[in-house]
Amino acid sequence: GAGVSQSPRYKVAKRGQDVALRCDPISGHVSLFWYQQALGQGPEFLTYFQNEAQLDKSGLPSDRFFAERPEGSVSTLKIQRTQQEDSAVYLCASSLAPQITSNQPQHFGDGTRLSIL
Amino acid sequence: KQEVTQIPAALSVPEGENLVLNCSFTDSAIYNLQWFRQDPGKGLTSLLLIQSSQREQTSGRLNASLDKSSGRSTLYIAASQPGDSATYLCAVRFYGGSQGNLIFGKGTKLSVKP
Repeated sequence: GAGVSQSPRYKVAKRGQDVALRCDPISGHVSLFWYQQALGQGPEFLTYFQNEAQLDKSGLPSDRFFAERPEGSVSTLKIQRTQQEDSAVYLCASSLAPQITSNQPQHFGDGTRLSIL
Repeated sequence: KQEVTQIPAALSVPEGENLVLNCSFTDSAIYNLQWFRQDPGKGLTSLLLIQSSQREQTSGRLNASLDKSSGRSTLYIAASQPGDSATYLCAVRFYGGSQGNLIFGKGTKLSVKP
């Protein structure tokens, strides 16, 4: 597709359930980022992939959060045993080149709005 | 700590006014700075990216400036229109940051009244 695609757009889960959020980056983009955006705040970095390699996961808030990109394209963010504080919009972004050497812009999807009841 | 601050948090102007949104950052060692627009319930749309070696970038009615030494950027919107109403986010890629991730401000919510 032309842009970054995320699914589902909305997800409601009960506290304690596991959820999986999907990101389809722009075709050919090497870099993929996940961000978490709480209400009224700017996005905060969670994790970064260069192709299939997860090079940085320093922003993941706990070991309940897990991300993968096994074939270097589609990525999944999984949250286990969800808690109310996990409620937020989860944004995925992709960029053409490896970030360490690049000044390429990041292109964002519309996000998944996660609500934990 | 590397931080990005945006002032004001909200701004309301009548249609046709020129306006300036402000962004400040704590560390002058940056790769680039990016301005985004976010509409309610939507993701981020990239407006302008300024490399650390540049002073400004222009796109249509938008002009973004960068002053690294003072840690400031401004986004100038000329002849504002109701369709410009959105939240504007400033994001900085710092040197030494985690693999190029962006540090965001909290945004300025702009409302342009017809």
